[in-house]
Amino acid sequence: GGIITQTPKFLIGQEGQKLTLKCQQNFNHDTMYWYRQDSGKGLRLIYYSITENDLQKGDLSEGYDASREKKSSFSLTVTSAQKNEMAVFLCASSILGGFNYAEQFFGPGTRLTVL
Amino acid sequence: GDSVTQTEGQVALSEEDFLTIHCNYSASGYPALFWYVQYPGEGPQFLFRASRDKEKGSSRGFEATYDKGTTSFHLRKASVQESDSAVYYCALGDINMGYKLTFGTGTSLLVDP
Repeated sequence: GGIITQTPKFLIGQEGQKLTLKCQQNFNHDTMYWYRQDSGKGLRLIYYSITENDLQKGDLSEGYDASREKKSSFSLTVTSAQKNEMAVFLCASSILGGFNYAEQFFGPGTRLTVL
Repeated sequence: GDSVTQTEGQVALSEEDFLTIHCNYSASGYPALFWYVQYPGEGPQFLFRASRDKEKGSSRGFEATYDKGTTSFHLRKASVQESDSAVYYCALGDINMGYKLTFGTGTSLLVDP
């Protein structure tokens, strides 16, 4: 088995502040994802990284940057925090599933509050 | 683009009731379909997957059958328990859209003992 660790668990920032969320996985998975979870809106993909040196934008990438530092870690930066993006940010990983779409394993999330 | 529609935002049942959560999809290709479950304070967990028409996925007493004709993948369980209270997400993966999944908005299930 393995685990996904997200830090911090709770993140409080000021409007306009640059904030970084971190994710580590020990599954040895190739692919990692960042999602934003808003109440009533489900999960929306922000960025993903298919392999260690890859970075792909999701549907909600504006206002965010991402960095895949190594195979096991994937960071997300909120470039200028806004009050309307208070949400839970979920990191996930999977093997490189190809056509069969491997399951994604999720971390417990980082809850962002913007003051 | 691809989309997943879950019509029920919330479902309230009593223990041993029959559960149906509806999921319909729209995709340009031939997607794989998934159900994930999320318990309070945790990230979503994979429940099961189906990749072709008429295939049934199942796990922990839950099941769903891929129906290409009605573009549906409805989640069912014959007898729910209080421990099944959680948020359930339907999702699709379409090879034409790369390695990402498209999730529905989720259905919150509350089971009274």
